Amino acid sequence: GEDVEQSLFLSVREGDSSVINCTYTDSSSTYLYWYKQEPGAGLQLLTYIFSNMDMKQDQRLTVLLNKKDKHLSLRIADTQTGDSAIYFCAERRNQAGTALIFGKGTTLSVSS
Amino acid sequence: GAVVSQHPSRVICKSGTSVKIECRSLDFQATTMFWYRQFPKQSLMLMATSNEGSKATYEQGVEKDKFLINHASLTLSTLTVTSAHPEDSSFYICSASGRSNQPQHFGDGTRLSIL
Repeated sequence: GEDVEQSLFLSVREGDSSVINCTYTDSSSTYLYWYKQEPGAGLQLLTYIFSNMDMKQDQRLTVLLNKKDKHLSLRIADTQTGDSAIYFCAERRNQAGTALIFGKGTTLSVSS
Repeated sequence: GAVVSQHPSRVICKSGTSVKIECRSLDFQATTMFWYRQFPKQSLMLMATSNEGSKATYEQGVEKDKFLINHASLTLSTLTVTSAHPEDSSFYICSASGRSNQPQHFGDGTRLSIL
């Protein structure tokens, strides 16, 4: 498809793991990103993965990449209420230069 | 980490006013800066890409005479919304990247409200 697809909502309990999924569009995309946006704020880069990697872990965050299926996931371990935000998946397509293509964002709601 | 500063954070003004938004990279040289627009509960839509010292490249459907972009130095890009109207009200976000394989870092956005 033409769009980067994400589920729109995810609700978890504090302490549980959250998994946010994304399907991107271009198998030749070089970098895939996860950004976090809190209400009224800009985007904060959480992590990114190069296309020749399958997995990247950074503290509570784990990114899994399945190039065959063009599927990207972000796992947040021990989710906290402060993790409540919108999470955007983005890909950098070769033909677009360095411009990023964003999904519509997944709103993560963490309840205590 | 890389810091991008965007000013102002919020603007409320009357229809017909021109509004300038600044985007600065504070601790790195940004060869490329990007301007996005975000509607409520929507994703970011790329408006234009600007490279230092050259004309901006606008996405299809974005009026270049309406949204003037200047990237005069490696640390500063400006977006001017000329003769703004209520339909221009939106959240505008800039981002900057250094070398081509570096991730983009975003400013905190500007909430523009045209009355």
